[in-house]
Amino acid sequence: QSALTQPPSASGSPGQSVTISCTGTSSDVGAYNHVSWYQQHPGKAPKVMIYEVSKRPSGVPDRFSGSKSGNTASLTVSGLQAEDEADYHCSSFAGGNNLVFGGGTKLTVL
Amino acid sequence: QLQLQESGPGLVNPSETLSLTCTVSGGSISSTQYYWGWIRQPPGKGLEWIGSIYYSGTTFYNPYLRSRITISVDTYNNQFSLRLSSVTAADTAVYYCARRDCLRCPDEYWGQGTLVSVSS
Repeated sequence: QSALTQPPSASGSPGQSVTISCTGTSSDVGAYNHVSWYQQHPGKAPKVMIYEVSKRPSGVPDRFSGSKSGNTASLTVSGLQAEDEADYHCSSFAGGNNLVFGGGTKLTVL
Repeated sequence: QLQLQESGPGLVNPSETLSLTCTVSGGSISSTQYYWGWIRQPPGKGLEWIGSIYYSGTTFYNPYLRSRITISVDTYNNQFSLRLSSVTAADTAVYYCARRDCLRCPDEYWGQGTLVSVSS
């Protein structure tokens, strides 16, 4: 069982927006602004899309955005494209030099 | 361009020790203040942080795995390693090595991953 809770699946049509949630506790997501989101295509290593809740690394499209409210972080993908179909994983610093991940969400572009 | 490559046995017997090495190219493992770590992913499941080692050798371990983990650095060969003892089928996973700028930072560089199965 993963420390952070994500929905197993999400979907949307091309051009639409979809939001994926990541629920933790007051000891991890709620306590720190060190939440990251990774995109993982089948058979590939994860790639960071969002860090520190809402920051985008260079090269990540601005269609990807992140936010946090209380113990829940969210990743929004706007203007869905076929190449956005992938697994998305959230992670958070959890204090005590510990890091936790969510169980991952499979995003399907219909 | 920094590259990481995992290597090690693809099959380990139950109760034995899993040993993996990550070879770093395109940069020195000891020249700058990075964290080198291991993350695993059981088949069809989410990611799990195993632990990280600072370039100086200080280690940080997942508290649930701490009693079974050793992560070390070999600066001469520009490698770092993972040893996980007393493995069971639950340790079957794709194991990734990765690099981050700080412990709270995301992993920016990843290896391609290597599948390790625990079975007799």
